[in-house]
Amino acid sequence: QQQVKQSPQSLIVQKGGISIINCAYENTAFDYFPWYQQFPGKGPALLIAIRPDVSEKKEGRFTISFNKSAKQFSLHIMDSQPGDSATYFCAANQNYGQNFVFGPGTRLSVLP
Amino acid sequence: NAGVTQTPKFQVLKTGQSMTLQCAQDMNHEYMSWYRQDPGMGLRLIHYSVGAGITDQGEVPNGYNVSRSTTEDFPLRLLSAAPSQTSVYFCASSPTGHEQYFGPGTRLTVT
Repeated sequence: QQQVKQSPQSLIVQKGGISIINCAYENTAFDYFPWYQQFPGKGPALLIAIRPDVSEKKEGRFTISFNKSAKQFSLHIMDSQPGDSATYFCAANQNYGQNFVFGPGTRLSVLP
Repeated sequence: NAGVTQTPKFQVLKTGQSMTLQCAQDMNHEYMSWYRQDPGMGLRLIHYSVGAGITDQGEVPNGYNVSRSTTEDFPLRLLSAAPSQTSVYFCASSPTGHEQYFGPGTRLTVT
């Protein structure tokens, strides 16, 4: 019940295209759903996050779509750039840090 | 602000040795956490702290100890290293317990 599933495992997109990564969870007590971006040899960096009372959040080229009834959320990267090539992790949290669970990650490659 | 700093960056241990991974933050965050990252498994929470003097176990706490005597520091101790503890370790801090600010990581190899 604590697991967060993430797909696809890897993704190749042409420059200018849309990258879509999907996540699903089971624990309905989760109340915070962030996405992290990680470049090789670096720590993860918070990209964007959403709460379950909102269905969509957009920050620049990055959008989270959240479907509470389906217990799914996704990251959309519009106008993907080679600089977006990284590993992306979805996560879920409850109780302010006491139950932080990460998905296994998606390796995104954006071709020039 | 230096943010979250971790030392060392790399470490090789022999089975049975002990060591402490250091983590410090200068953002006055109450929440701090330790994660390990293994290929194909994302990050898994080892221990966390919601303030000085308060720590608790995460998903994979066995073989690790923590303490939090100050707001700034949150060291992770490996009591008797095992090859299964070969991993990349990340420390994170948070002002609220939700958004996590990660350090650069420590790559640990146990032979």
